[in-house]
Amino acid sequence: QVQLQESGPGLVKPSETLSLTCTVSGYSISSGFYWGWIRQPPGKGLEWIGSIYHSGNTYYNPSLKSRVTISVETSKNQFSLKLRSVTAADTALYYCARVNCSGGTCYPDYWGQGTLVTVSS
Amino acid sequence: DIQMTQSPSSLSASVGDRVTITCRASQTISNFLNWYQQKPGRAPKVLIYGASSLQSGVPSRFSGSGSGTDFTLTISSLQPEDFATYYCQQSYSTLSITFGQGTRLEIK
Repeated sequence: QVQLQESGPGLVKPSETLSLTCTVSGYSISSGFYWGWIRQPPGKGLEWIGSIYHSGNTYYNPSLKSRVTISVETSKNQFSLKLRSVTAADTALYYCARVNCSGGTCYPDYWGQGTLVTVSS
Repeated sequence: DIQMTQSPSSLSASVGDRVTITCRASQTISNFLNWYQQKPGRAPKVLIYGASSLQSGVPSRFSGSGSGTDFTLTISSLQPEDFATYYCQQSYSTLSITFGQGTRLEIK
């Protein structure tokens, strides 16, 4: 069974960098699939942040692209998110997910439980 | 960016009702449309992918249809566990993904 677990600080100061890691178990990242980050502000909807393939190819939400870096570390079976220059608007529940691209469409089929990151001084 | 608009934003229904949620794309997305269910405090769960394919393990009372710009999610007979928020999601431009704003399904 594929499982994902987010980890990282729950509180980040404004203007600093948010850093999260997703550890995958039950499946080797090197075997395929894309791996992505999605966030959800409290009480609001879902926003795609970006995705990475095990080879390192990345795709980012254009609205966040200038501040986001997603990387992968296959030896640890992990992938990571860095979001720079955060503001209160970046306060959200951050999910990592496996992205299944089947028949042309891509969708997260396995999700972590999510980790709440609050941006506040 | 491709914008996804769901309607209604919220809906009240009773157990046993047939419910339909619609999702409209700002441009054609072929059948690259997926549906999710999210319950409070839980991660979303994929129900339908490719507009009409049922994800493994999802009850057959859920169905999806549509192509191009207009899509629907139908629940044929609401069960108590179906009260949740539903999202559509497009991936027409590979991995340039956007979600609808969500439809909250409540008990009448």
